[in-house]
Amino acid sequence: DIQMTQSPSSLSAVVGDTVTITCRASPASPDVINYVNWYQQRPGKAPILLIYGASSLQSGVPSRFSGSVSGTDFTLTISSLQPEDFATYYCQQSYTTPTFGPGTEVNTK
Amino acid sequence: QVQVVQSGSALKMPGASVRVSCKASGYPFRDYAINWVRQAPGQGLEWMGWINTITGVPTYAVGFTGRFVFSLDTSVTTAYLQITNLGPADTAFYFCARAHDLSTYTLGNWGQGTLVTVSS
Repeated sequence: DIQMTQSPSSLSAVVGDTVTITCRASPASPDVINYVNWYQQRPGKAPILLIYGASSLQSGVPSRFSGSVSGTDFTLTISSLQPEDFATYYCQQSYTTPTFGPGTEVNTK
Repeated sequence: QVQVVQSGSALKMPGASVRVSCKASGYPFRDYAINWVRQAPGQGLEWMGWINTITGVPTYAVGFTGRFVFSLDTSVTTAYLQITNLGPADTAFYFCARAHDLSTYTLGNWGQGTLVTVSS
């Protein structure tokens, strides 16, 4: 199976900050690049899809969320953090048997 | 619009069974697979498997064979997860999620989750 690692495991931020979360797939494979997704899970709620295919914004998701890839590193960036963005974020590869990263909790500083 | 609505929370005794329903609407039910994901309290997301809504054939992840059964009733656009011989380790939120256009395993629309608590 492809393992997904995420960093950091948690971070503290304030409204207006730009936040970056990184995910890495192992073993690295060029085939995975187009099948990395990002989900947001607010406390007590179901996850929602934010970014699919590494960099495509899911319909209805605010444009302050963006995804990118560089080599084997996938990045989720939240520009101008809003109060509703304090949540846990998961990356996932959907190329083969799906696996999720362990999650990154974004909390208030 | 697409909606995925799950059945309510369940409290079960050890050894019992539970069935979680997942009602999909707002799109042609057979066009998208349904995936199942488990989340133990305070833990991360774990993919359990998926069911092909055209053929009804389920595929189970490692660790979810034997006691876990995925099924469909296409007449009511509903998928089901049944878990038998429940134990305390089965206490978790169970989510169903419709596949996304990108791939079967990209989870585009999620149900609200069903908490299954196993306790005597």
